[in-house]
Amino acid sequence: QSALTQPASVSGSPGQSITISCTGTSSDVGGYNYVSWYQQHPGKAPKLMIYEVTNRPSGVSNRFSGSKSGNTASLTISGLQAEDEGDYYCSSYTSTGILGGVFGGGTKVTVL
Amino acid sequence: EVHLLESGGGLVQPGGSLRLSCAASGFTFSSYAMSWVRQAPGKGPEWVSTVSGSGGTTDYADSVKGRFTISRDNSKNTLYLQMNSLRDEDTAAYYCAKSITLYGYSYGSISYFDYWGQGTLVTVSS
Repeated sequence: QSALTQPASVSGSPGQSITISCTGTSSDVGGYNYVSWYQQHPGKAPKLMIYEVTNRPSGVSNRFSGSKSGNTASLTISGLQAEDEGDYYCSSYTSTGILGGVFGGGTKVTVL
Repeated sequence: EVHLLESGGGLVQPGGSLRLSCAASGFTFSSYAMSWVRQAPGKGPEWVSTVSGSGGTTDYADSVKGRFTISRDNSKNTLYLQMNSLRDEDTAAYYCAKSITLYGYSYGSISYFDYWGQGTLVTVSS
């Protein structure tokens, strides 16, 4: 059972926007602005998409954006494209002493 | 371009040992903390261990403490994970990851992992 809670799946049609939620507690998501998001295609390494809640690494499309409200962080993908299909994981710093932070269980994004 | 390449995974019996390696290139290896993160089939990632840029400081998840040892050779730009007393529940893909700490130091709580290797699969089974 993962420390952060994500919906198992989210789907959308090309061009639409979708949002993936990531719910934690005040010890992680709610208490600090150190939430990150990773994209993973089957058999591939995770790729950093968002760090520190809202920041996009160089080279990541501006169709990806992050936000946070209370204990829930969100990843929004706008203008959904076929290449966005895959698994998405959130992660957060935690004050509970786990140096590497905690992760969510993942959300499978399907482009219809 | 940052590149991380893991090796050393395989099938091992419960109680056995394996040593994973991760060859790094494209960045100043000794300036960054490095971590191992694993992912069991169908599950989310799980942080396993982190070593400081100098190699002098380490930390482990409770699930592997006392059984796994992380180390690095900065002269070879290589990260290692020695895994002993392996259990069924250690079965996972193991990724090495370049680690960015909260305050940008070469060790400390991790803010995010900015680059990951392609992973090496460890299967513990009799």
